[in-house]
Amino acid sequence: AQTVTQSQPEMSVQEAETVTLSCTYDTSESDYYLFWYKQPPSRQMILVIRQEAYKQQNATENRFSVNFQKAAKSFSLKISDSQLGDAAMYFCAYRSHYQLIWGAGTKLIIKP
Amino acid sequence: GAVVSQHPSRVICKSGTSVKIECRSLDFQATTMFWYRQFPKQSLMLMATSNEGSKATYEQGVEKDKFLINHASLTLSTLTVTSAHPEDSSFYICSARYPLIDEQFFGPGTRLTVL
Repeated sequence: AQTVTQSQPEMSVQEAETVTLSCTYDTSESDYYLFWYKQPPSRQMILVIRQEAYKQQNATENRFSVNFQKAAKSFSLKISDSQLGDAAMYFCAYRSHYQLIWGAGTKLIIKP
Repeated sequence: GAVVSQHPSRVICKSGTSVKIECRSLDFQATTMFWYRQFPKQSLMLMATSNEGSKATYEQGVEKDKFLINHASLTLSTLTVTSAHPEDSSFYICSARYPLIDEQFFGPGTRLTVL
């Protein structure tokens, strides 16, 4: 069975600096998708970034980028120029068919 | 972008009553919808997967007679918590799969409090 592990329950970063959130996963499949979702205090889940496993190039979305290491089964999220609005829970998720497998989440605190 | 709504956003009910939560995809047809439960400071726990016109598939440990799911149309799925008890109090989130872009979109969630 697939599993997703986020080993950092909480991270803090100074505003305008860079932070990296870690995620590892376990799967025997070769074709899958990986996601980072943001859940702010409103609790609305927001897709931050998506990575297809067959793509070697790391996905980027403005200040958000990933470091996808397929062999190591690692999928970290880098947030550059952190802003107060980035404060939220961040969940890493894996999907091979339709269902999402979720990590435990990392609470990101932004220090002004 | 694709929008998923949930209604109600908050509900308080007495123990023993039933509560229905609606999940609608507003601008796309969703062949598959998912229902999650989220406890405070925890991750999402998948309860069931529903496909339009067929019975829902429940995850292990989820009581299908307590959590009734109906996916009657391509834009609407409902979750009914029957004979609710305080331990059913939680945050319930639905998501809908948009087949054309192979993406899931999430509703804003429903906070259920059972007194």
